[in-house]
Amino acid sequence: DTGVSQNPRHKITKRGQNVTFRCDPISEHNRLYWYRQTLGQGPEFLTYFQNEAQLEKSRLLSDRFSAERPKGSFSTLEIQRTEQGDSAMYLCASAYADTQYFGPGTRLTVL
Amino acid sequence: TQLLEQSPQFLSIQEGENLTVYCNSSSVFSSLQWYRQEPGEGPVLLVTVVTGGEVKKLKRLTFQFGDARKDSSLHITAAQPGDTGLYLCAGGGSNYKLTFGKGTLLTVNP
Repeated sequence: DTGVSQNPRHKITKRGQNVTFRCDPISEHNRLYWYRQTLGQGPEFLTYFQNEAQLEKSRLLSDRFSAERPKGSFSTLEIQRTEQGDSAMYLCASAYADTQYFGPGTRLTVL
Repeated sequence: TQLLEQSPQFLSIQEGENLTVYCNSSSVFSSLQWYRQEPGEGPVLLVTVVTGGEVKKLKRLTFQFGDARKDSSLHITAAQPGDTGLYLCAGGGSNYKLTFGKGTLLTVNP
C-alpha cells in the first residue's frame, strides 16, 4: 500500500498527558499538511510543510502543539498537556500539485 | 476568512434516485476538490476541478465548477447504498491549503 499512513489510529489519554502522532506521506510528495476534524465539521487546517520546512501554521495551533518533519519524509504532531477540547480526528495529507491525499486519521480522546 | 457553505446538510433518499449537492462561497478558489468520507476514516478524493465552468464525470457522478470559481455541485445519478457517506467540498487557497465545508451526509436506503 503506497498511500498515506498514520499511527496510531486511536489514542485515549488522560488530561494533562502528552501525545505524539506520526504521518508517513506518499513518498514522492514534498508537501504535507495536518488538519483537525471535530464531530459534524469539515477538517480544519493546522499546519503545512514543504519538504522539511514548516511554512504555515494556523491560529488553531496553540503553543501546546508542535509539528516536525525532520528529513522531509515522515512528520510528527505532538500535543503537550492535553485538554478535553483537543479530542478530535487528526488528519494528515500529502500533496502533489493541486491535490491532497489523506491518511486514515488518528482519533484522539482526552478523558 | 474564506468559507464554504454546503447544502443540504443531510440527505436521505431511496436507491435509484438522483441527487445534487451544492458547495457555495463568496470567495474565489484556485481549485476545488470533492471528497467522500466514511465514519472513522480519512476523506477519499473523488475529483479536483481547476477551471471555471469545468465539468467532470466519474461514472455516475458529475462534478461542475462554477464559471467564477466560487461554487460547485455534485450530481449523483441512480444512487446506490454504497454511495452513502459524508461528501465534503474543499477549496484550494494559498500554499494549496484546503478550506472545507461542513459536508453533506448522504444516506441511500435500499
